[in-house]
Amino acid sequence: DAGITQSPRYKITETGRQVTLMCHQTWSHSYMFWYRQDLGHGLRLIYYSAAADITDKGEVPDGYVVSRSKTENFPLTLESATRSQTSVYFCASRVSTEAFFGQGTRLTVV
Amino acid sequence: EDKVVQSPLSLVVHEGDTVTLNCSYEVTNFRSLLWYKQEKKAPTFLFMLTSSGIEKKSGRLSSILDKKELSSILNITATQTGDSAIYLCAVEPRGGSQGNLIFGKGTKLSVKP
Repeated sequence: DAGITQSPRYKITETGRQVTLMCHQTWSHSYMFWYRQDLGHGLRLIYYSAAADITDKGEVPDGYVVSRSKTENFPLTLESATRSQTSVYFCASRVSTEAFFGQGTRLTVV
Repeated sequence: EDKVVQSPLSLVVHEGDTVTLNCSYEVTNFRSLLWYKQEKKAPTFLFMLTSSGIEKKSGRLSSILDKKELSSILNITATQTGDSAIYLCAVEPRGGSQGNLIFGKGTKLSVKP
């Protein structure tokens, strides 16, 4: 299917565990992003990537790791999950116009 | 620090009302401003604005940018319950984190029958 897909859609994990959220896009867009959305904060950028093997920190990168070995994939890893990382995570991609968002992953850390 | 401020944060109206949502920004080297609608899932694109004074329209929705005032408005006429959503404003700065969008906190619009 064409578009941008995230998996899993829902995840519950325990404090201290490593969790990876997947993001896949079919357009070969150069830019990809990870945002988290929390009540009262809106969408905040965690990491972004301008191309394969090029990544950079956004506004709230602590506790997260990303990689981009292929243009179409941009996984986000929480190295040791904390309760403050409970959030809805959105992956997005864009070229030069609007950004296209995945359906989001609701992550709960207990 | 670049920032985007939306107002009001929430709004309740009745079907048929006209609403105006506001977005103001402070960014170095502005490139574009975008509006998104978010219902229960992913934000979906509404408009992209780059030039001052040129209105973009899509059905009952319209938007305009004022670069002098560093702001934009989103108008919705004859509101319907299906317009209930969070409306997000985002600004793209030129240079720096290229491609990144800086989002406001959103305006939650509730349209009552």
